[in-house]
Amino acid sequence: AQTVTQSQPEMSVQEAETVTLSCTYDTSESDYYLFWYKQPPSRQMILVIRQEAYKQQNATENRFSVNFQKAAKSFSLKISDSQLGDAAMYFCGSDAGGTSYGKLTFGQGTILTVHP
Amino acid sequence: EAQVTQNPRYLITVTGKKLTVTCSQNMNHEYMSWYRQDPGLGLRQIYYSMNVEVTDKGDVPEGYKVSRKEKRNFPLILESPSPNQTSLYFCASIGPQETQYFGPGTRLLVL
Repeated sequence: AQTVTQSQPEMSVQEAETVTLSCTYDTSESDYYLFWYKQPPSRQMILVIRQEAYKQQNATENRFSVNFQKAAKSFSLKISDSQLGDAAMYFCGSDAGGTSYGKLTFGQGTILTVHP
Repeated sequence: EAQVTQNPRYLITVTGKKLTVTCSQNMNHEYMSWYRQDPGLGLRQIYYSMNVEVTDKGDVPEGYKVSRKEKRNFPLILESPSPNQTSLYFCASIGPQETQYFGPGTRLLVL
């Protein structure tokens, strides 16, 4: 079975600083997608960033970037210049790859607190 | 506007009383999915659907049923709810590159 692990239940950062959220996953596929979703107090799930496993270049979206280490099955999220609005629960997710399109597994989540 | 809608948003019910949570998407996606979110466990997939009349189990399907009679709708059915099904439920429509478009969530309390 596919697994995704977020080992940091909670993280905190000062406003304008940088923070990195960790995620590891386990899959036997060679081609798959990885995601980070943000869940603010409103509970809405918001896509932050997506990485395709066959692309070696790390994905970036403005202040958000990932460090994708395929051999180590690691997919960390770096938030630069943290803002108060970044405070949320963050979920890492992975699809099963191969022919199992639509079957996704998420980690347990990391609560990020941003201090002014 | 592209969106996924869920109803109801909040529901309190009693053990054993059948209920249905509706989900609808207007993006013409073939794939749709249901998740439950519980503290410390993250989101776990209940069922997903690849197209009309095609569904498959996720990681926690016990106690749930789904149907996909129309492309836009994917209702979640709890035929005999139990307190351990108290949770926050999300429907998602799955677009290109497996991107999940989530509904607003349904908070269910089973007494």
